[in-house]
Amino acid sequence: DTGVSQNPRHKITKRGQNVTFRCDPISEHNRLYWYRQTLGQGPEFLTYFQNEAQLEKSRLLSDRFSAERPKGSFSTLEIQRTEQGDSAMYLCASSLVRTGGNEQFFGPGTRLTVL
Amino acid sequence: SQKIEQNSEALNIQEGKTATLTCNYTNYSPAYLQWYRQDPGRGPVFLLLIRENEKEKRKERLKVTFDTTLKQSLFHITASQPADSATYLCALHTGTASKLTFGTGTRLQVTL
Repeated sequence: DTGVSQNPRHKITKRGQNVTFRCDPISEHNRLYWYRQTLGQGPEFLTYFQNEAQLEKSRLLSDRFSAERPKGSFSTLEIQRTEQGDSAMYLCASSLVRTGGNEQFFGPGTRLTVL
Repeated sequence: SQKIEQNSEALNIQEGKTATLTCNYTNYSPAYLQWYRQDPGRGPVFLLLIRENEKEKRKERLKVTFDTTLKQSLFHITASQPADSATYLCALHTGTASKLTFGTGTRLQVTL
């Protein structure tokens, strides 16, 4: 399968713990995005990378959230000191930048539950 | 304020009919508009992209229109099938930013 993969698929944690999610994009894609989705809502943009550079971060991304994309390949999203409000589906997407509007390929998501 | 509105109520239609979903936006000037399909527990899947200078785009049974004056896109599925049942999301992409801004989605239910 050459699509976007995310691990783990589900994560249950206690409030105050740190969690880390991984995203492996489609190999030739140079852009990688993180979104968060809660029930009944569309995905909300969190941050994106072009190669290894983090080019934009949403105001939604508090200082408890950090994302990395070392070497421009896989990416990790870490949430420190989790809160119940962090419970959501975290989606990763990748795309190949070109002059047209870039379609994004999404992974299956990581569902986070904070107890 | 900026808004993307999709009908939050589910759309129920009979197999074989044409489903029409609406996406309205305010205070955006999108260079492109995209439509995605999302099944429960899965990530969105790209369906169609339409540029601001295009009025209509087709792909198999799917058709998208884009009216930048009305600030509206319509998404049509002709000859709908139960397998088309899913949530459909519209997303705006502005030329200066790479991110997508999504609507809340409309759930489509196609019955026999």
